[in-house]
Amino acid sequence: NAGVIQTPRHKVTGKGQEATLWCEPISGHSAVFWYRQTIVQGLEFLTYFRNQAPIDDSGMPKERFSAQMPNQSHSTLKIQSTQPQDSAVYLCASSLEGGEVFFGKGTRLTVV
Amino acid sequence: QQQVRQSSQSLTVWEGETAILNCSYENSAFDYFPWYQQFPGEGPALLIAIRSVSDKKEDGRFTIFFNKREKNLSLHIKDSQPGDSATYFCAASYPSGSWQLIFGSGTQLTVMP
Repeated sequence: NAGVIQTPRHKVTGKGQEATLWCEPISGHSAVFWYRQTIVQGLEFLTYFRNQAPIDDSGMPKERFSAQMPNQSHSTLKIQSTQPQDSAVYLCASSLEGGEVFFGKGTRLTVV
Repeated sequence: QQQVRQSSQSLTVWEGETAILNCSYENSAFDYFPWYQQFPGEGPALLIAIRSVSDKKEDGRFTIFFNKREKNLSLHIKDSQPGDSATYFCAASYPSGSWQLIFGSGTQLTVMP
């Protein structure tokens, strides 16, 4: 069990470019979460899927952020027209229903 | 208003001492309280968790004391080791519906040898 796998580990984008972050949850886990971590805001919930269906995206900035889970083995977080304030570590996590939440190592996004 | 609060941004103890990390919460509907440990460059990892029906949970050197009436909890790390130096996050979630975890701002623990 390799745990939750996130790629890339580091990504640098220019302001206005698009960034796509990938997550492979632990096999068999029904819930997939995305969080954002910054020094100022801490760990912020973005969105989650249950059995690939979007359940709660209350933490997602509405205009430029989108998340998808096209199959049970991966999820993507896409940020369009990236801005410097989007710089953060984006964490993906997965769990069994009601079970322990396991986090990946994160993708550090830097917008220059 | 922060729903989960950790009173100390940082804490330093000597090796062998008991480190006490405090957490409080606003919403009495929260019923599950995990503590996560995070090392630099890693994602948070579950350390120990408690449900609101209990007032104490122990796992080796780690103990959670929970006070439902006061809406606070604490993580005690007995016999602290330099390898325990990390950031500790208190979190909370609701019993049903959304499974999202709501995190406190974290306490950076340093254990001096």
